[in-house]
Amino acid sequence: GQNIDQPTEMTATEGAIVQINCTYQTSGFNGLFWYQQHAGEAPTFLSYNVLDGLEEKGRFSSFLSRSKGYSYLLLKELQMKDSASYLCAVLNRDDKIIFGKGTRLHILP
Amino acid sequence: ETGVTQTPRHLVMGMTNKKSLKCEQHLGHNAMYWYKQSAKKPLELMFVYNFKEQTENNSVPSRFSPECPNSSHLFLHLHTLQPEDSALYLCASSQDFGHSYNEQFFGPGTRLTVL
Repeated sequence: GQNIDQPTEMTATEGAIVQINCTYQTSGFNGLFWYQQHAGEAPTFLSYNVLDGLEEKGRFSSFLSRSKGYSYLLLKELQMKDSASYLCAVLNRDDKIIFGKGTRLHILP
Repeated sequence: ETGVTQTPRHLVMGMTNKKSLKCEQHLGHNAMYWYKQSAKKPLELMFVYNFKEQTENNSVPSRFSPECPNSSHLFLHLHTLQPEDSALYLCASSQDFGHSYNEQFFGPGTRLTVL
């Protein structure tokens, strides 16, 4: 089967750092995506990792370990607008994208 | 208008109705997708079209019928739906399908309620 696990909800404070974890078991691996989805809106692309290591893009960074089937999204200097759901998604060997259920992040002032 | 657009944004229909969802992308992409997003469930891929040809049908019931007349437009025809089909239906597009780096651009979705 194909499975992607991420926490359902997380809470963090404005200005702080939060790490959202994602573990996956899929039929092959061709890359991992993180998407951000605000309530009532479309998902928007944040990052793509296909090689092990950390990819940094401004306040957001994404890490991948293929041997462990593990990724995390790191958000620094949290802002209220970062309150959203964060979707982890894996591209399997058939280039089919499999989404996790998403992590709803709440930012407290 | 740019990006991916979807109409209508909200739809309420009875189980005997026939309706269609429309998606249009202005990004020059070759692949288009339909997803279903239900509460507390992951995004579920329904259909994939690449260069107007259907390449994926993810075991979707026949009461959902996709149509892709050209690479910019995608429709989802609905008939005799069930209340459990109530969900957010998202359309997405990407440059191509079948390549590893395949960022998808999503439309705003159609919130469907089946009574």
